[in-house]
Amino acid sequence: EPEVTQTPSHQVTQMGQEVILRCVPISNHLYFYWYRQILGQKVEFLVSFYNNEISEKSEIFDDQFSVERPDGSNFTLKIRSTKLEDSAMYFCASGLLSGNTIYFGEGSWLTVV
Amino acid sequence: GESVGLHLPTLSVQEGDNSIINCAYSNSASDYFIWYKQESGKGPQFIIDIRSNMDKRQGQRVTVLLNKTVKHLSLQIAATQPGDSAVYFCAENPTSGTYKYIFGTGTRLKVLA
Repeated sequence: EPEVTQTPSHQVTQMGQEVILRCVPISNHLYFYWYRQILGQKVEFLVSFYNNEISEKSEIFDDQFSVERPDGSNFTLKIRSTKLEDSAMYFCASGLLSGNTIYFGEGSWLTVV
Repeated sequence: GESVGLHLPTLSVQEGDNSIINCAYSNSASDYFIWYKQESGKGPQFIIDIRSNMDKRQGQRVTVLLNKTVKHLSLQIAATQPGDSAVYFCAENPTSGTYKYIFGTGTRLKVLA
């Protein structure tokens, strides 16, 4: 069964460092998403991406964040200068159609120290 | 503002009993809803979805009910098994044409042997 894959599964980084989280969405999907989940809290929308551009973003997704689809398979989330409060599980998701089911990866756990 | 919330943060049920997990949503324009199951340290796993033109949808051992009048969604799990123990989230697509899904707070289901 096709699945969304994410790397790394866990990353520890120093505050102020740049981090890139990688995702390989399901191959025929067209819509891509990043969500995050702070420990013990709900899943929060960060950004959606379609047709090589950001479709929608939340207030969390400030200038420190960027997304890119550098080739036909990868979808990345970059945090330019990490803060302690960026520590969270980051989930990539993809969907075939807008307003339809989206499928999540297993997440990348980011710890900023 | 938009919000999706759950009435019960923790639900404990005996193995073999039926479980009912509830979700309230505030946006009457939401047209698509998904239930996800999240096991510890893993990504949200799709369980079942329903569109706003339906009141009920059944899957394998799961049923989702949608009451648009009171903006209420429920997930029923028949013959609950130990493997059903997880956190369950409802998610809504607030408006057709938007690209984000808003998640509720989550309900932890504990299955007692």
